Amino acid sequence: DVKVTQSSRYLVKRTGEKVFLECVQDMDHENMFWYRQDPGLGLRLIYFSYDVKMKEKGDIPEGYSVSREKKERFSLILESASTNQTSMYLCASSPTVGNTQYFGPGTRLTVL
Amino acid sequence: GNSVTQMEGPVTLSEEAFLTINCTYTATGYPSLFWYVQYPGEGLQLLLKATKADDKGSNKGFEATYRKETTSFHLEKGSVQVSDSAVYFCALRLNRDDKIIFGKGTRLHILP
Repeated sequence: DVKVTQSSRYLVKRTGEKVFLECVQDMDHENMFWYRQDPGLGLRLIYFSYDVKMKEKGDIPEGYSVSREKKERFSLILESASTNQTSMYLCASSPTVGNTQYFGPGTRLTVL
Repeated sequence: GNSVTQMEGPVTLSEEAFLTINCTYTATGYPSLFWYVQYPGEGLQLLLKATKADDKGSNKGFEATYRKETTSFHLEKGSVQVSDSAVYFCALRLNRDDKIIFGKGTRLHILP
């Protein structure tokens, strides 16, 4: 079975803190994605990566950055967390372009 | 632009009722269409998909038919169960890339 894991299920941070959300997949997938999920807005793509050290902006990259130093790990970074970044963050991976995306369980982040 | 519109929830049904969740899309070209399901406390799982017009995706008793003439991909199930309670997302992927565009989600409650 494909397994996508995220480092925390729940996280509480303060405004201005630097926040790292980690995602790991164990299936040697090429592509990895970060989404945020908000009520009434569905899922919105923040960043994605087609390969190690490669990254592409999604639809809402402002306030976020990413890092992919190893194929299996894709990190989402909030340089200076703000309250409007309180959300559910979902990581996904897919084998290659055009294949099914597999999702992790999500990290619910609260910024106070 | 490309978008997905699905019926707003929550939808509340009794067990064994017939389910329809409407989904329409706007896209350039010929997208692939998906339904994802998110059970409480979990990430998204692919429920079914269709990659070309008139294809029918099916899984776990759910079905959806890719209707190009009406740009629709409505989700149906003949007899729902309490365990079907979840949030359902309609989505499309343009075949030239790997980005998925999601609808806002429809929460489904099934009462015993």
